[in-house]
Amino acid sequence: SQELEQSPQSLIVQEGKNLTINCTSSKTLYGLYWYKQKYGEGLIFLMMLQKGGEEKSHEKITAKLDEKKQQSSLHITASQPSHAGIYLCGADNTGGFKTIFGAGTRLFVKA
Amino acid sequence: GAGVSQTPSNKVTEKGKYVELRCDPISGHTALYWYRQSLGQGPEFLIYFQGTGAADDSGLPNDRFFAVRPEGSVSTLKIQRTERGDSAVYLCASSSDPASEAFFGQGTRLTVV
Repeated sequence: SQELEQSPQSLIVQEGKNLTINCTSSKTLYGLYWYKQKYGEGLIFLMMLQKGGEEKSHEKITAKLDEKKQQSSLHITASQPSHAGIYLCGADNTGGFKTIFGAGTRLFVKA
Repeated sequence: GAGVSQTPSNKVTEKGKYVELRCDPISGHTALYWYRQSLGQGPEFLIYFQGTGAADDSGLPNDRFFAVRPEGSVSTLKIQRTERGDSAVYLCASSSDPASEAFFGQGTRLTVV
């Protein structure tokens, strides 16, 4: 079965610094989703990537999917305390509906 | 409604008891998902509904877990003879179709004591 591995597991950055979170799949991804979860809350959809080489941006967050569709990165520019939370990547491994998730990356931003 | 609503937000129950967790999806969303999230882990898929039918229930851990969606809208996740290992946050999500992004509720935190 497909697994998603996220790195790093946790990250502490100074406010204003850039950071990158990675998500690696053991199989080709049909769709890759990034979600953010505040501690103790539900998931907030950030972006969806479907095509090899695709890149999307929203405010200061950019997500990329590599050409082989097995790795995605999430980059935050000039981090702010509001960026703190758990970032989860999810995937549809069979081209269908079922979504599996990585274990998440816990981001802390020091003011 | 404006978003996915889950009730209760917290539930504490004794080992061996029966619990029901409710999910109100976004109006018009035909796809509905249940996930379970343990501390420090990502959500784990439990069951997927397309309309009224369970299209995939392969994630349900055992026969103590059951879910229904009788009218294709609200869904109830039912857990019989609860065990301490069932303690987790149960998340519900809905989407307009299976290929679109899913929107999540705030979750129900279940604690079995």
